[in-house]
Amino acid sequence: GENVEQHPSTLSVQEGDSAVIKCTYSDSASNYFPWYKQELGKRPQLIIDIRSNVGEKKDQRIAVTLNKTAKHFSLHITETQPEDSAVYFCAASEDNFNKFYFGSGTKLNVKP
Amino acid sequence: DAGVTQSPTHLIKTRGQQVTLRCSPKSGHDTVSWYQQALGQGPQFIFQYYEEEERQRGNFPDRFSGHQFPNYSSELNVNALLLGDSALYLCASSSVNNEQFFGPGTRLTVL
Repeated sequence: GENVEQHPSTLSVQEGDSAVIKCTYSDSASNYFPWYKQELGKRPQLIIDIRSNVGEKKDQRIAVTLNKTAKHFSLHITETQPEDSAVYFCAASEDNFNKFYFGSGTKLNVKP
Repeated sequence: DAGVTQSPTHLIKTRGQQVTLRCSPKSGHDTVSWYQQALGQGPQFIFQYYEEEERQRGNFPDRFSGHQFPNYSSELNVNALLLGDSALYLCASSSVNNEQFFGPGTRLTVL
């Protein structure tokens, strides 16, 4: 089955700096890669996703890149703000409605 | 639209007991997936229901079973509870060409 690895497990940045979280996956059948933000005690919320036919996608301060050949994808957050502090999870799936394989999470702390 | 709802919010059980968790999907969604999220870890896929049938299953023992009703709502049942079953249980609903929406979860504590 699919194996998703996520790094780093914790990330501390100064407000205004950029943050990068990286994930690798093992199954070449995976075609859909969402990123979720989970605040303490709350549900995971989709912040951005990318499909395998696209190399990069951007939504305001958030961007995701995908290298399907190398089987890795990354989340980039620019101009970080304290409200970006949360746990971020990457996931891989064959499609958006199929089972997701999640990474172990990255706890992002943005210091004011 | 209330989104995905789950009940109960919290639950405390003792080892060996049985538990039933419930999920109502987002309006327009026909597929329900269940995940187990242990503290400090990513969610792990348990199984998925579509058209009242289990369509996909993750690496969980038979103690974990489920059901989907004609209105697309779903239940997760866990028998013979173990301490290691303590976790946040997340339900996610989806349909073709729509993202998965997660519910708020049920926090299960097994003593």
